[in-house]
Amino acid sequence: DAGITQSPRHKVTETGTPVTLRCHQTENHRYMYWYRQDPGHGLRLIHYSYGVKDTDKGEVSDGYSVSRSKTEDFLLTLESATSSQTSVYFCAISDGQGHDGYEQYFGPGTRLTVT
Amino acid sequence: LAKTTQPISMDSYEGQEVNITCSHNNIATNDYITWYQQFPSQGPRFIIQGYKTKVTNEVASLFIPADRKSSTLSLPRVSLSDTAVYYCLVAPFNDYKLSFGAGTTVTVRA
Repeated sequence: DAGITQSPRHKVTETGTPVTLRCHQTENHRYMYWYRQDPGHGLRLIHYSYGVKDTDKGEVSDGYSVSRSKTEDFLLTLESATSSQTSVYFCAISDGQGHDGYEQYFGPGTRLTVT
Repeated sequence: LAKTTQPISMDSYEGQEVNITCSHNNIATNDYITWYQQFPSQGPRFIIQGYKTKVTNEVASLFIPADRKSSTLSLPRVSLSDTAVYYCLVAPFNDYKLSFGAGTTVTVRA
């Protein structure tokens, strides 16, 4: 399995508090992604990164920010958590080279509950 | 991004072959077709990808007709452990943002 870890794995927080989720990889892959998964909505891309300090928005980026200061870490921050951000968050990586770049490796997920 | 349409759910029995067809009528010339599998409480896992004709690996086969407007994922002799959600994605050339739809929930029964 690809070396991807997410922390924390579970978190309960209150509305209005900031939350940061961390994704760490040991594969030296160029691309990193954050998704959220909710019942009835499938997997939706929040933000992604194509290199250190190079990030871009996905389809559901409102209320989220990201940072990537080194290759191995990609942080997702909820500036002020809301109940609508209760979800399972997955991090993924890919090497972004040729057709192999379409193969993304996913982390174990973080279950976030905002009360 | 090419829109994909696949059945919401399919039921099967152990030992049968499962075929999931995905429609992608507006696929572009250089787009690639990719399939993922997701078990409950886990992240998706890449299964197979292809551009045209047939691709086979140890897990599945992917059939793509000449017009590439659809693709069929074939799972041979399924077992209970193949119960999962299967996603069909069309990936634009050199664009590594993938769009996962709702997928097809495949339930294998004994």
